[in-house]
Amino acid sequence: GIQVEQSPPDLILQEGANSTLRCNFSDSVNNLQWFHQNPWGQLINLFYIPSGTKQNGRLSATTVATERYSLLYISSSQTTDSGVYFCAVGGSGGYQKVTFGIGTKLQVIP
Amino acid sequence: NAGVTQTPKFQVLKTGQSMTLQCAQDMNHNSMYWYRQDPGMGLRLIYYSASEGTTDKGEVPNGYNVSRLNKREFSLRLESAAPSQTSVYFCAGRKREGPNEQFFGPGTRLTVL
Repeated sequence: GIQVEQSPPDLILQEGANSTLRCNFSDSVNNLQWFHQNPWGQLINLFYIPSGTKQNGRLSATTVATERYSLLYISSSQTTDSGVYFCAVGGSGGYQKVTFGIGTKLQVIP
Repeated sequence: NAGVTQTPKFQVLKTGQSMTLQCAQDMNHNSMYWYRQDPGMGLRLIYYSASEGTTDKGEVPNGYNVSRLNKREFSLRLESAAPSQTSVYFCAGRKREGPNEQFFGPGTRLTVL
């Protein structure tokens, strides 16, 4: 199956700093999502981005499918950005299986 | 719309007891999924159902059974709970066409003593 690697595993930021999270995957994919798991455990959809670039406020994401990676950018970080960020990918094929990375744990300190 | 709902939110079982975790969605999803989340291991797929009437094993299916009761409902059953099944369980749904994003329920925190 597809392997998904996320980096860095842990990240501590001062409030207001910018960061880039990376997701590498081992095979071609037909879908890719970024999620934020908040400190209460809720999984929040950030981006559905199998290719290209999207922006939503202070967050943006880019997927370069041909090179098998995706990047999540967080600008002007806030304490509410704390939590774990997951990348999840689905391979080409009809069966809709999705594989998650183990996540990047982000802590934003005031 | 309620989205993806799960019951119960919390459960404590004794080793050997059985229980069923319920999941329902009103988002017209074709596919539904059960994951477990353990510390430091991300989410691992237990079972999924690509469409009504079909189910398939994921990475960690041992000790679990599932039923896709209809398009809306997908249940996960533990026949004889073990301490190794202590985890947080998430249900998710996804459409087949268009932007086929997964949407998650709030999770069930299960402790097996």
